[in-house]
Amino acid sequence: DAGVIQSPRHEVTEMGQEVTLRCKPISGHNSLFWYRQTMMRGLELLIYFNNNVPIDDSGMPEDRFSAKMPNASFSTLKIQPSEPRDSAVYFCASSPGLAVIEQFFGPGTRLTVL
Amino acid sequence: GQQVMQIPQYQHVQEGEDFTTYCNSSTTLSNIQWYKQRPGGHPVFLIQLVKSGEVKKQKRLTFQFGEAKKNSSLHITATQTTDVGTYFCAGAGGATNKLIFGTGTLLAVQP
Repeated sequence: DAGVIQSPRHEVTEMGQEVTLRCKPISGHNSLFWYRQTMMRGLELLIYFNNNVPIDDSGMPEDRFSAKMPNASFSTLKIQPSEPRDSAVYFCASSPGLAVIEQFFGPGTRLTVL
Repeated sequence: GQQVMQIPQYQHVQEGEDFTTYCNSSTTLSNIQWYKQRPGGHPVFLIQLVKSGEVKKQKRLTFQFGEAKKNSSLHITATQTTDVGTYFCAGAGGATNKLIFGTGTLLAVQP
């Protein structure tokens, strides 16, 4: 069975450019989470969806960040415009339900903003 | 807001020695999960504890949930080089019941 799929795996961009990260959750999972991991701040929850609806976006750093889930099998996290401080590993995770149970993480996207 | 802290941040042990990481929450948790992240990898779920005072074992790993449901620990007996990685606790509680990940403990094992 395929796990959570993220693309791209690595992204290098210049400050000011738009960045779009993509995630395909495990089939049948109806909760999806976006995390950011840095040495300084650890693993932070940015936003999560249940049945394609955003439930909590209080972790989204600022208006430059936006996330969408147009259907059950696809989500995007967009940063526009990107800044060097956005450099981090971004993980997408999915779980079978909103109730707190095991989350399955994707391999992550390593973003570098120059 | 809710905070989850772990100690130590880093531990270096000789293979065969035991290892323990401690997790403390600023608020009472409904449950706690533990994840392991290998260097360069992604977090992988290990276990979930729900009941006050619960103890669960997975081979050489022992997980405990405190009586007050505000702290937890992970103990590894006789570490092996395959145990290398960062161990995170993640607590759920508060109004939203979302998972808050701890700061993590990086374990290094010297053969």
